[in-house]
Amino acid sequence: QKEVEQNSGPLSVPEGAIASLNCTYSDRGSQSFFWYRQYSGKSPELIMSIYSNGDKEDGRFTAQLNKASQYVSLLIRDSQPSDSATYLCAPRRSGTYKYIFGTGTRLKVLA
Amino acid sequence: GAVVSQHPSWVICKSGTSVKIECRSLDFQATTMFWYRQFPKQSLMLMATSNEGSKATYEQGVEKDKFLINHASLTLSTLTVTSAHPEDSSFYICSLRAGGGRATDTQYFGPGTRLTVL
Repeated sequence: QKEVEQNSGPLSVPEGAIASLNCTYSDRGSQSFFWYRQYSGKSPELIMSIYSNGDKEDGRFTAQLNKASQYVSLLIRDSQPSDSATYLCAPRRSGTYKYIFGTGTRLKVLA
Repeated sequence: GAVVSQHPSWVICKSGTSVKIECRSLDFQATTMFWYRQFPKQSLMLMATSNEGSKATYEQGVEKDKFLINHASLTLSTLTVTSAHPEDSSFYICSLRAGGGRATDTQYFGPGTRLTVL
């Protein structure tokens, strides 16, 4: 079992729709979770972090965390073609400041 | 966010030469710096972690004598790829963990350095 599992995609959604990106992780001790966006050929940029169970909203983005299920997701509302990128889920490894990166989900927003 | 720079942004070198990559924090003091490598269509792979004033700790399988890391100050870390070979061609990215005043477990990434070894 991979430490972080994400569907590699591509996930294709029409412009204006909601994109739903999912991630499961194996480290039960993880307490911090991060979503990064990575455009092709570029480095990751932070979208948001989440630490507590439930939802956290930031603009068009909503992160959801369920530690009991070891599941974290990212919703992107009103998807735009500029959102087309690879989205990386990164739980922080328990007891360290290291992240465990998933392979990412490639999102394509169709105009 | 935070501002992190890397230099150079890309480099082409001959096999057997050494290449130094700099990572700088421009607006905060970095407690910890991380170096990652990313091959095409793969995720980020952590190479090593360094704290200012102490030796870097390397991930399993990463040769510390080949990838020399110097965390010179709270705003500068360097990665030197020694005796580079074509298989070292990759995208090298640093990230910094901020100290006080910011969420201390958030990593801020530099723009990356693309290394091509001929």
